Amino acid sequence: DAMVIQNPRYQVTQFGKPVTLSCSQTLNHNVMYWYQQKSSQAPKLLFHYYDKDFNNEADTPDNFQSRRPNTSFCFLDIRSPGLGDAAMYLCATSRWGVDEKLFFGSGTQLSVL
Amino acid sequence: RKEVEQDPGPFNVPEGATVAFNCTYSNSASQSFFWYRQDCRKEPKLLMSVYSSGNEDGRFTAQLNRASQYISLLIRDSKLSDSATYLCVGMDSSYKLIFGSGTRLLVRP
Repeated sequence: DAMVIQNPRYQVTQFGKPVTLSCSQTLNHNVMYWYQQKSSQAPKLLFHYYDKDFNNEADTPDNFQSRRPNTSFCFLDIRSPGLGDAAMYLCATSRWGVDEKLFFGSGTQLSVL
Repeated sequence: RKEVEQDPGPFNVPEGATVAFNCTYSNSASQSFFWYRQDCRKEPKLLMSVYSSGNEDGRFTAQLNRASQYISLLIRDSKLSDSATYLCVGMDSSYKLIFGSGTRLLVRP
């Protein structure tokens, strides 16, 4: 049973057309993360939520926004995708204060045309 | 210097071989280390945590060397199914998890 679920698995968007990626979890973990991973590169943390507290990485472009309406769901909004935003977007969860193990969703592969 | 560095490989080994990867880290205060496995176009999956005393799980052994600031992963009796990218994870100076770029392993028949 999938515990961190990302939809869609593949997303194609046009240059400049807003897109939203979604993530849900059944683990009841208090932390949710969004990572961006490009080919042959390390996953790069964009931001994370500790409960409802939003934590943005300093180098995350303003083009990327996130929402966490409740414990189970988290969204990544890309306001004006550029060609350089084509990547795999990975959602992950963890239990802060217990351990730092990350549980990943299967990712959304974003293509920008 | 990158906070977590790995040799990208690929390491090309025959089935049955023993192979070892190292990963260096720059934050001497880092408390947590992990190895993740990532198959092509899939998500990273936790392989094992790395404890100060070392950690063994079947054919896989992870070691931490704090003096030299590196962690290692040893795979014995390599299987074709071990072919993947192995990501090392440490912590940065603000105690956030940082991934290395990964070491690619190819196990050939």
